[in-house]
Amino acid sequence: QKEVEQNSGPLSVPEGAIASLNCTYSDRVSQSFFWYRQYSGKSPELIMSIYSNGDKEDGRFTAQLNKASQYVSLLIRDSQPSDSATYLCAVMTWEYGNKLVFGAGTILRVKS
Amino acid sequence: KAGVTQTPRYLIKTRGQQVTLSCSPISGHRSVSWYQQTPGQGLQFLFEYFSETQRNKGNFPGRFSGRQFSNSRSEMNVSTLELGDSALYLCASSRSGNTEAFFGQGTRLTVV
Repeated sequence: QKEVEQNSGPLSVPEGAIASLNCTYSDRVSQSFFWYRQYSGKSPELIMSIYSNGDKEDGRFTAQLNKASQYVSLLIRDSQPSDSATYLCAVMTWEYGNKLVFGAGTILRVKS
Repeated sequence: KAGVTQTPRYLIKTRGQQVTLSCSPISGHRSVSWYQQTPGQGLQFLFEYFSETQRNKGNFPGRFSGRQFSNSRSEMNVSTLELGDSALYLCASSRSGNTEAFFGQGTRLTVV
């Protein structure tokens, strides 16, 4: 079983719509959760971090965490073509030495 | 504020050679982690350094090594290069290791 799972996509949404990206993780003691955006040929860019259950909003982005269900999601409101990228979910478990465990990523395509 | 700087950006090496990659973290960040990204395996953790000490190591052979200097700059070395070592090598810095991590532009290594 993979430690962090994401639907590989591609997820296609029209411009202006809400894009919903999902991630599940297997280790119940994981404490920190991150979403990175990676454009083709570029390095990952941190867009959200979340550490406790509930929602965290930053501009058009909302991260949601449910530790009981071992589930973390990212909502992108008013999606723009520039949001088209691969979105990587990363999980950190402090007991394992501060390493980030990444999902395979979800490809998002926003169509204008 | 300067970001994470990796050098060189691109490298072409021959099988059997060795290579050294460099990473300068964000000022004030003491933790440096290295990751390998390939199309087949995604982002894989190599190792993490904090205050010149390796705190955690991923499942890579001993040909992969690293070190950190007193100014937090880090280097990683790969000896006896194999074709399968061709990848994007990414360095990430964070304040303490269990906080948000920011990636450099990466070094694209091609082994021929």
